[in-house]
Amino acid sequence: QKEVEQNSGPLSVPEGAIASLNCTYSDRGSQSFFWYRQYSGKSPELIMSIYSNGDKEDGRFTAQLNKASQYVSLLIRDSQPSDSATYLCAVDNYGQNFVFGPGTRLSVLP
Amino acid sequence: EAGVAQSPRYKIIEKRQSVAFWCNPISGHATLYWYQQILGQGPKLLIQFQNNGVVDDSQLPKDRFSAERLKGVDSTLKIQPAKLEDSAVYLCASSQSGQGYFGYTFGSGTRLTVV
Repeated sequence: QKEVEQNSGPLSVPEGAIASLNCTYSDRGSQSFFWYRQYSGKSPELIMSIYSNGDKEDGRFTAQLNKASQYVSLLIRDSQPSDSATYLCAVDNYGQNFVFGPGTRLSVLP
Repeated sequence: EAGVAQSPRYKIIEKRQSVAFWCNPISGHATLYWYQQILGQGPKLLIQFQNNGVVDDSQLPKDRFSAERLKGVDSTLKIQPAKLEDSAVYLCASSQSGQGYFGYTFGSGTRLTVV
């Protein structure tokens, strides 16, 4: 079974700062990588996908992928209290489905 | 486009009882997934259907869990008999044919409490 690891947190950052969330995965053959946001009591919501090495930006979010290091990260610029949630990293499983990490809880302090 | 529908939203049962959850995917989505999310953990895949065929059920506890998708549309997940450790949120997701290359869309989930 593939493994996806994340720091459980909580990660606390002040409002307006950059939040950096990290994820490592065990299978070098993985091709697709996703970040989901999950508010307390809600279901996960897809916020970013990345498939190639490098950076991908979408508004205040930037996903970074380094396949050689088996590492994917999510940067949130100008963090807002509304960004406080658990962020789940997901990695494709032989192209069939996704394996999720345990999630990192982010708290943005006003 | 209507989202993934799940019911019920909440269920409380006693251990050793049975329970069933229902999911209706987004129209036209051939692939349907059931995930279990225990509090404080990430979602874990229980079973994946492609139309009405099973693609992956390697992590489904088959002695107590069963799932079906008879007409290739909606699906039912059943637990019989339930154990305390089955307390979790059961999430249904769907994607267009294939691996969900563009990501899953999750339903609102069913929160199960076993007492």
